[in-house]
Amino acid sequence: DTEVTQTPKHLVMGMTNKKSLKCEQHMGHRAMYWYKQKAKKPPELMFVYSYEKLSINESVPSRFSPECPNSSLLNLHLHALQPEDSALYLCASSQDWVGGRSYEQYFGPGTRLTVT
Amino acid sequence: GQNIDQPTEMTATEGAIVQINCTYQTSGFNGLFWYQQHAGEAPTFLSYNVLDGLEEKGRFSSFLSRSKGYSYLLLKELQMKDSASYLCAGVQTGANNLFFGTGTRLTVIP
Repeated sequence: DTEVTQTPKHLVMGMTNKKSLKCEQHMGHRAMYWYKQKAKKPPELMFVYSYEKLSINESVPSRFSPECPNSSLLNLHLHALQPEDSALYLCASSQDWVGGRSYEQYFGPGTRLTVT
Repeated sequence: GQNIDQPTEMTATEGAIVQINCTYQTSGFNGLFWYQQHAGEAPTFLSYNVLDGLEEKGRFSSFLSRSKGYSYLLLKELQMKDSASYLCAGVQTGANNLFFGTGTRLTVIP
């Protein structure tokens, strides 16, 4: 099973709402990632979790709050977002970096978020 | 720092061969990934080069020259379904974090 699942597929929320994006993988990967992708742009890294611990936060505003409850799940909690936060949010997972080799990431289908 | 460049758009004919170039300047370089992304879909892994040379996988090949900071993705026998964005991404030693280039939008025409 090489699938990463994300829910919901689409989300529309107001600037005062609180919502969460969910991501799940069952490949035994210990590294999980959140990316933001705007139209016609490449994905931008937001957060990296390694063995359920946050290892990288790419200067993301605090209105985005990641959480890794266990090795298979990754959440992104959203609060007080701005219209410019509208984008495709992609989750990915991979084996963790070991012994000089980096590993390919498997991406989920994404959540298309619209902030009104 | 990371700086990865690739052409923004390319057009090629069905059945032809196309080469998508990627140049990079990265600190602590540990290889280059190529991903394919169809419109509205997730990126999917195509190849990973960490050593110099050519890696071939069916119709797709990827090449890396570390001394020149250069890579390319070669697509042979183009099919209409190959119309997609092709993302070049560098990775640093000790991490799997991907630093993507701008992506090359390839259009295959009949």
